[in-house]
Amino acid sequence: QVQLQESGPGLVNPSETLSLNCSVSGYFIRSAYYWGWIRQPPGGGLEWIGNIFHSGTTYYNPSLKSRVTISVDTSKNQFSLKLSSVTAADTAVYYCARDFRGFGNDAFSVWGPGTIVIVSS
Amino acid sequence: IVLTQSPATLSVSPGGSATLSCRASQSVTFYLAWYQQRPGQAPRLLIYDASNRATGIPARFSGSGSGTDFTLTISSLEPEDFAVYYCQQRSSWPLTFGGGTRVEIK
Repeated sequence: QVQLQESGPGLVNPSETLSLNCSVSGYFIRSAYYWGWIRQPPGGGLEWIGNIFHSGTTYYNPSLKSRVTISVDTSKNQFSLKLSSVTAADTAVYYCARDFRGFGNDAFSVWGPGTIVIVSS
Repeated sequence: IVLTQSPATLSVSPGGSATLSCRASQSVTFYLAWYQQRPGQAPRLLIYDASNRATGIPARFSGSGSGTDFTLTISSLEPEDFAVYYCQQRSSWPLTFGGGTRVEIK
């Protein structure tokens, strides 16, 4: 059974870089599927941030592309999110997820529980 | 592609049915998914490619539509069905979600 778990600082200073990891258990990242990040501001809707394949192929949301880097570490079976120059608008619950069929542009069928990140000094 | 969900809130009695709408700003053919999100939980995939139930999803959830207009129907609502529902398109980058419909107890 595939499980995902986000981890990282819950508080980030404005203008700094938000860094999160997603640890995957029950499945080898290098096998298949795309792995993604989605966020949800307090009381708000869902926003797709980006996806990555184990080869390193990435797709990013253009609205965040200049500030986002998603990377994968197959030796640790995890993937990561870095979001630079954060502001209060980046305060959100951040979810990592696995896509449904490995298409890259697909629905997300497995989600982590989410981790809240607050941007504040 | 902008997805507009309506209504924002739907009040339904337990055992009743709910019809949720998702309208796309341009055609997404049938590349639309629906999710359920309960308070404090991650979204759960219900429907993919407009009308296919994901594994383990009860038959009371059904999806329909194509092009720009889609519907999620929930029949015989159970207590655990009162939640927020989101649609998501995968027709073109970037992947986008609708703003959500909250189904509340009447």
